[in-house]
Amino acid sequence: DAKTTQPNSMESNEEEPVHLPCNHSTISGTDYIHWYRQLPSQGPEYVIHGLTSNVNNRMASLAIAEDRKSSTLILHRATLRDAAVYYCILRDVSWGGADGLTFGKGTHLIIQP
Amino acid sequence: NAGVTQTPKFQVLKTGQSMTLQCAQDMNHEYMSWYRQDPGMGLRLIHYSVGAGITDQGEVPNGYNVSRSTTEDFPLRLLSAAPSQTSVYFCASKGGDRHNSPLHFGNGTRLTVT
Repeated sequence: DAKTTQPNSMESNEEEPVHLPCNHSTISGTDYIHWYRQLPSQGPEYVIHGLTSNVNNRMASLAIAEDRKSSTLILHRATLRDAAVYYCILRDVSWGGADGLTFGKGTHLIIQP
Repeated sequence: NAGVTQTPKFQVLKTGQSMTLQCAQDMNHEYMSWYRQDPGMGLRLIHYSVGAGITDQGEVPNGYNVSRSTTEDFPLRLLSAAPSQTSVYFCASKGGDRHNSPLHFGNGTRLTVT
C-alpha cells in the first residue's frame, strides 16, 4: 500500500475548526483515502473516506486535492471529545484478501479548553 | 446493538502460559481480523478471516492461532505466551462491500506477559 505522511501532533482550541493534513504523493488510482481516530483507551473508530470528491458526514469533512496527493480532514467545531490520534490510511480496493489497513503513527490532536 | 465485544479487558500471563482472547460481533459481518498495538507503533495485522471456516495470516502471525467456526466469533489463541506478546489486542469486523466499508473495532484487550 502507498504510504501517508502526517504531522506527529497538532493543537487546537475548543469550538474552533481543525484541519488535519495528510500527504500521500504515491497514491494510486484505486486507492481510497480513509480516516480513523482512536480515543484514549479505545479501539480505532471510522471517521470518513473518499476517492476523488470532497466528502461530508456528521463527524467531519474530507477535502481531497485535485491531484489526490494530499487530503485534509476537517473538524468544523472541535470539542474536548475530539482529542484523539487521527490516522490517514490508503486502501487499495483492487486488492483482495486481507483488509490490512496500515495504521501508521497518526496525528495526536490536542484540544485546549 | 453491541458491535464488537472483546473479553477480557485486561490479562496478565506468565511466560509459557496459554490463553484465548475472545472476540464476538453481532452485526453479521463476514470479515473479522485481529491487530496488535505496541507503544509508539501503529496497529499490525495478526490474522484475518473472510468468513466462517476461512482464516489467513496477516503481517505478524507467529505465536498466534485463530479459528472461525461461526460468523459471530473469532478467538485468538496464544499457545505459549512470551514477553514479546505484551501488547494491546484489537479485534475488528466489516461487512457489506468488504473492500470499501469501514472496520468496526472492539475496545481491546490489554495483555501483559511476565
